[in-house]
Amino acid sequence: DGGITQSPKYLFRKEGQNVTLSCEQNLNHDAMYWYRQDPGQGLRLIYYSQIVNDFQKGDIAEGYSVSREKKESFPLTVTSAQKNPTAFYLCASSTKGQGAAEAFFGQGTRLTVV
Amino acid sequence: KNEVEQSPQNLTAQEGEFITINCSYSVGISALHWLQQHPGGGIVSLFMLSSGKKKHGRLIATINIQEKHSSLHITASHPRDSAVYICAVQIRSNYQLIWGAGTKLIIKP
Repeated sequence: DGGITQSPKYLFRKEGQNVTLSCEQNLNHDAMYWYRQDPGQGLRLIYYSQIVNDFQKGDIAEGYSVSREKKESFPLTVTSAQKNPTAFYLCASSTKGQGAAEAFFGQGTRLTVV
Repeated sequence: KNEVEQSPQNLTAQEGEFITINCSYSVGISALHWLQQHPGGGIVSLFMLSSGKKKHGRLIATINIQEKHSSLHITASHPRDSAVYICAVQIRSNYQLIWGAGTKLIIKP
């Protein structure tokens, strides 16, 4: 079945360590996105990519990095420069082009930094 | 003013009640999504709509493109429906997603 997979669902890291969250899709979608959610708040865009080897900063990119070496994969690295990394992270992908677009969503990764 | 507004922000109801959650938006969209998030859990996609109405079990989603408004209905609500329900729209011009703040629903037995 086609879909989008985020792993792991829960992740614990020590303060000061970089951590990479995985996002893989087998939907042949061009665009992929990373969002962050803080308790009681809506989702905010961190980074997005509309084509392989290209990506753009979203509203809250500071302290994060991404890569898009393959169409299927869009990993997000939470660096030690991110001041408040504990949050829920959601990956999404969507089609581009004419007609009705469709978006699919991962289940999310809940990151806790201790 | 946010481009996607959900109402109510919080909703508490008794088991069995008919629930309506609303989403209004101000941008041109290609699709609208309803998602569910349980406390401490992940996100589950419920519906994607570009027109009309969709039904899945006790859940019904409608969209009025002219009025830029969508509703999510839950019939015969149950405590396991307690969750945050999130509306997200895909912008027609670049397919990016704009998210509502969510509606926290509590169904009491």
